[in-house]
Amino acid sequence: DVKVTQSSRYLVKRTGEKVFLECVQDMDHENMFWYRQDPGLGLRLIYFSYDVKMKEKGDIPEGYSVSREKKERFSLILESASTNQTSMYLCASLPSGSGGLLTMNTEAFFGQGTRLTVV
Amino acid sequence: AQKITQTQPGMFVQEKEAVTLDCTYDTSDPSYGLFWYKQPSSGEMIFLIYQGSYDQQNATEGRYSLNFQKARKSANLVISASQLGDSAMYFCAIDEVGSARQLTFGSGTQLTVLP
Repeated sequence: DVKVTQSSRYLVKRTGEKVFLECVQDMDHENMFWYRQDPGLGLRLIYFSYDVKMKEKGDIPEGYSVSREKKERFSLILESASTNQTSMYLCASLPSGSGGLLTMNTEAFFGQGTRLTVV
Repeated sequence: AQKITQTQPGMFVQEKEAVTLDCTYDTSDPSYGLFWYKQPSSGEMIFLIYQGSYDQQNATEGRYSLNFQKARKSANLVISASQLGDSAMYFCAIDEVGSARQLTFGSGTQLTVLP
């Protein structure tokens, strides 16, 4: 019944390492999102994608990049990890509406989260 | 301006009472959707309720209802008959259709249900 899967639940990386966080969904959704969650700040949008090879910056894209080569997979990349990127990372997917009118019972599905610690 | 504002960092409610969690939003997009999610201490994101901008009636789902006031750009979550298991972080989010779907969350409200 798993719908959105993140590759790791816990990850520890060293400062300066290149880090890949993978997210896969099996619902054929067009839209995928990466967030980081920090206490008191809620979920902050890093990047999102509405189609294969399409990506848009969210509110906090600095220090991150993304890749979407296949519809089901959306990867978050930390080019050179830093300690201030220690956080919980959440991936989500969302189906498209039709003609701009959102369908009833729309739901965004989330992965289980990746707790990344950069030391 | 913040797209989603949740002004209550923490709330307390007595078991079996109703509670309202506030959410205001800011968008110029005529087509949008509003979500509420619950995040217990286990960390999973649990979908509660959804309201589309063109929906004429307020959304309801069991003990959850969304008080949608479009002119005031407000989408408050009402939980009736609170239960101890309702203690969690609650997030409001807006889905703006536009040219690309952007799903933006607020900072959340920590609800504690007291026995």
